[in-house]
This record gives sequence, C-alpha cells and structure tokens, in this order.
Amino acid sequence: QQQVKQSPQSLIVQKGGISIINCAYENTAFDYFPWYQQFPGKGPALLIAIRPDVSEKKEGRFTISFNKSAKQFSLHIMDSQPGDSATYFCAAGSGNTGKLIFGQGTTLQVKP
Amino acid sequence: GAGVSQTPSNKVTEKGKYVELRCDPISGHTALYWYRQSLGQGPEFLIYFQGTGAADDSGLPNDRFFAVRPEGSVSTLKIQRTERGDSAVYLCASSLSLGTGELFFGEGSRLTVL
Repeated sequence: QQQVKQSPQSLIVQKGGISIINCAYENTAFDYFPWYQQFPGKGPALLIAIRPDVSEKKEGRFTISFNKSAKQFSLHIMDSQPGDSATYFCAAGSGNTGKLIFGQGTTLQVKP
Repeated sequence: GAGVSQTPSNKVTEKGKYVELRCDPISGHTALYWYRQSLGQGPEFLIYFQGTGAADDSGLPNDRFFAVRPEGSVSTLKIQRTERGDSAVYLCASSLSLGTGELFFGEGSRLTVL
C-alpha cells in the first residue's frame, strides 16, 4: 500500500518535444504529490507539487496532471531542453508529516 | 551556506566498523529527514524529526541504525557494525516545519562499505 510505481524507467526526447512521466499510487491517504529533479551528484530538488483538490497544476513548462479516481498522476515537460536531462522522481505523502514515498525514478535525456 | 549541509561527502569503511554521518539543516527549519538512496533507486525514507524528537523512525532497517538530533538542529545518523548492504547515498532533508510540503535536500553522504 505504500508503493509508488513510476514509468518509464528511461526516456529519450528530442529538443522541443514533450516529456511525459507517469506514476501510480495505492494509499488513498496520500494527499501530497511532488515531483523532484535530481542531477548526478546532487540531492533531489522540488520541481512542482500538487494536492488532490485540483486535477492539474502548471508552472512554466512543467505540468502535473492528477487523476484521483485512478490514483495516477503524471509530469509533462513541454518544449524539453537539453538542460532538462536529469532523473525525475515522483513521490507521494501525507501533507501533515512531510514523509514521502518515492518512485523508482525516470532518467530523461533530451537530445539537441 | 544557505542549504542543507552534509558531512562527510564520501565515506569508505570496512565491514563491521561504526560510522557517523552529519546533517546541518537550513537555519530555522524544525523538521529534518533522513533518506537512503541506492544506485538507480528513489530515496527511501528512514526517519524524521520534529524538533529534537524522532517523530517517525519506521524506515530504519534494523537496530544497527540510530539517529539523534539533541538540540533540534544538527542531526547525526549512526550506523553500527556496518555491512556491505549499507552502501548507499544517505540524504538529509529539512523543511520549515512538518506539513509545509517542500523538502530541501542536501547533496548526500556516499557510504561505501568494503
């Protein structure tokens, strides 16, 4: 019940294309769904987050789509750039604790 | 520095030895978290503190692992009788308080047990 499943494991996109990463969770008590970006040798950094009272959140080129009934959420990166090449992790947690369960990660490569 | 600071950045030790990893959170952040990240995997929750007390230590794998935060700021993760399977990057994160959402991660301490 605590798992967060993430796909695909790796993704190659051309510059200017759309990158899409999907996650599914099981625990209906989760009420906070962030996406973190991690570069090699660095710690994860928050990219964007959503709470289940909305179905979509957009910040610049990054959009989270959230489907509460399906227990799924996804990250869309529009106009992908080589600088977006990194590992992306979805996570789920209970907002009142901050404890997060992370997905397995998606390595994104954006080709110039 | 303004970010979460972790020391050492790299630690190589022999099986059976004792290890301490230190985390200095962002000033003013009351909540502190420890995660472990194995190669090619997402961070795995270990423990978190609100102030000086461990609010949830359910992620600690066994009693060889222990963490303290005696003054509500710096935290130390202690690993006794290290095993090769303990090799990973240990990440520390802090947040303004519990429930505020964003965790700010340090760059991690890479532990290698030979």
